[in-house]
Amino acid sequence: DQQVKQNSPSLSVQEGRISILNCDYTNSMFDYFLWYKKYPAEGPTFLISISSIKDKNEDGRFTVFLNKSAKHLSLHIVPSQPGDSAVYFCAASDYNDMRFGAGTRLTVKP
Amino acid sequence: NAGVTQTPKFRILKIGQSMTLQCAQDMNHNYMYWYRQDPGMGLKLIYYSVGAGITDKGEVPNGYNVSRSTTEDFPLRLELAAPSQTSVYFCASSSRTTEAFFGQGTRLTVV
Repeated sequence: DQQVKQNSPSLSVQEGRISILNCDYTNSMFDYFLWYKKYPAEGPTFLISISSIKDKNEDGRFTVFLNKSAKHLSLHIVPSQPGDSAVYFCAASDYNDMRFGAGTRLTVKP
Repeated sequence: NAGVTQTPKFRILKIGQSMTLQCAQDMNHNYMYWYRQDPGMGLKLIYYSVGAGITDKGEVPNGYNVSRSTTEDFPLRLELAAPSQTSVYFCASSSRTTEAFFGQGTRLTVV
């Protein structure tokens, strides 16, 4: 069963605008949530994370929001830049294993 | 810093052959993971380990085995390769409360 879901396989935005990537999870035992960015032929690299005791974490242009009651998190990138074009994976951890969503391919157009 | 090192980077196997994908980390992380990524798909957890001597199954463990005799190494063994195991394999490591660091991946083709 897919415990972490990213329902949008792709997203295209204009440079300078906001990108919003969404993620849903089903396992209420998940306590820690992460976003990874992946370029072709490379391993995923960590972007930003949030623990379940928070509802928002911000790092520069990247902000992650967590809604525990809805089991939903989102990643906001503002302003979006062409270099942000990549596949973004949402991940959730119960501090033992870590499960990933299917990814969303973000394309930022100049 | 080397981080997480995976070898080999590429491999072609014939059906029924066996091989071991190597993974080593130098960050003294207790947690290590193996994932596979099929074309156009997300990362599926194969096996993970929370420390030396401890391993556990993930979402898709069938056809694979792992061992964790040291903190640094977490090899993944394919005993009887099948075409369904054609994929890109990623190893990762983390401490209990930090993000995971990934290797560059091993692209495996079974023909």
